[in-house]
Amino acid sequence: AQKITQTQPGMFVQEKEAVTLDCTYDTSDPSYGLFWYKQPSSGEMIFLIYQGSYDQQNATEGRYSLNFQKARKSANLVISASQLGDSAMYFCAMREAYSGAGSYQLTFGKGTKLSVIP
Amino acid sequence: GAGVSQSPSNKVTEKGKDVELRCDPISGHTALYWYRQSLGQGLEFLIYFQGNSAPDKSGLPSDRFSAERTGGSVSTLTIQRTQQEDSAVYLCASNSPGRSSYEQYFGPGTRLTVT
Repeated sequence: AQKITQTQPGMFVQEKEAVTLDCTYDTSDPSYGLFWYKQPSSGEMIFLIYQGSYDQQNATEGRYSLNFQKARKSANLVISASQLGDSAMYFCAMREAYSGAGSYQLTFGKGTKLSVIP
Repeated sequence: GAGVSQSPSNKVTEKGKDVELRCDPISGHTALYWYRQSLGQGLEFLIYFQGNSAPDKSGLPSDRFSAERTGGSVSTLTIQRTQQEDSAVYLCASNSPGRSSYEQYFGPGTRLTVT
């Protein structure tokens, strides 16, 4: 089974509207972290937001918020007031506490391509 | 401050040749990761360094792949006898593991094309 599932290969949103990008995860670790990264066409990976499994409140960073539903194992990214510069690939990733040899490597989903329409 | 740097940015090589990819992490970052991103895919973990040692090599796809890190800083990923399926973007990331430093900082990547 995939550890990170992003079911939306592509999404369109009107400029200034809000959009939700879906992410579900699978882990048996009690301690884990969830990340969202943005990858513009230039290729760099830009960190957006982090949610720890024990965090009581949903994470927010400016226009980004993470809708964390632990029982459903979902960690959806919400982008408010979309801008043209938000057009990019968005990746959900997970860090588990008991990765091999304590490495804390990230496991990534396949990504969602977001296109913002003027 | 300087971010993670990688070189070369692009590399075209013939099948069967060896290539070396370099990563220079953020100064002071003890953890270093290599990932691979094939066309249209998410990132795939390759190897993790803590200092100069590599306790987790579980993601290396074959024994043609190896990596080293010297001085707790620069890392080199070597691919021997390259194959066309090795074509991908190779990304390096670093961080200082700890409760306040979960984020991994990524370099711009090296785009490898094997012809």
